[in-house]
Amino acid sequence: AQSVTQLGSHVSVSEGALVLLRCNYSSSVPPYLFWYVQYPNQGLQLLLKYTSAATLVKGINDFEAEFKKSETSFHLTKPSAHMSDAAEYFCAVSAAGRRALTFGSGTRLQVQP
Amino acid sequence: ETGVTQTPRHLVMGMTNKKSLKCEQHLGHNAMYWYKQSAKKPLELMFVYSLEERVENNSVPSRFSPECPNSSHLFLHLHTLQPEDSALYLCASSQDRGADTQYFGPGTRLTVL
Repeated sequence: AQSVTQLGSHVSVSEGALVLLRCNYSSSVPPYLFWYVQYPNQGLQLLLKYTSAATLVKGINDFEAEFKKSETSFHLTKPSAHMSDAAEYFCAVSAAGRRALTFGSGTRLQVQP
Repeated sequence: ETGVTQTPRHLVMGMTNKKSLKCEQHLGHNAMYWYKQSAKKPLELMFVYSLEERVENNSVPSRFSPECPNSSHLFLHLHTLQPEDSALYLCASSQDRGADTQYFGPGTRLTVL
């Protein structure tokens, strides 16, 4: 069984500041890990995914995440926030070879001017 | 049309109505999914179809009835719904290669009166 915990349902940063969104997972088998973003009135869009290759994964729009097995974490970072990054971010896990994704409850990112 | 489309985008129905949600994917994928996104709850996987066969059904009430006539189309038939079924219903598709990236549609916002 898998589960995902996203710490902080709301995160607020200033434009230009570092973005850090936290995700911890639990999985009884080697996991695949994903970050999705959802803008208002839209579906989910993949930012990046980890599938047991490099532990530092780069995604779109300068986002990246690092898989840390010892900490069971997959935190999402971006060096400099833009106003357009304001959205809801979801971390998800699946077992290798399985279709089903288990999502976290999401973190809403606000970017202040 | 490109990607994953869903119609209608908004739907209001009474508890005694029967309605259907439609999803169409233009990506050549062979797996399709229905998810439910409720306020303050993680996304919940409802159904998975692979090559037009239902392969997962996550204890969804029988008032939700999926149909997958071909690999490009997915329907969710609704009848005798309850107000707690009000949510955003998201469709997704992927290649059926285990944890392949799922591409989401914009969703149908359903309100049950």
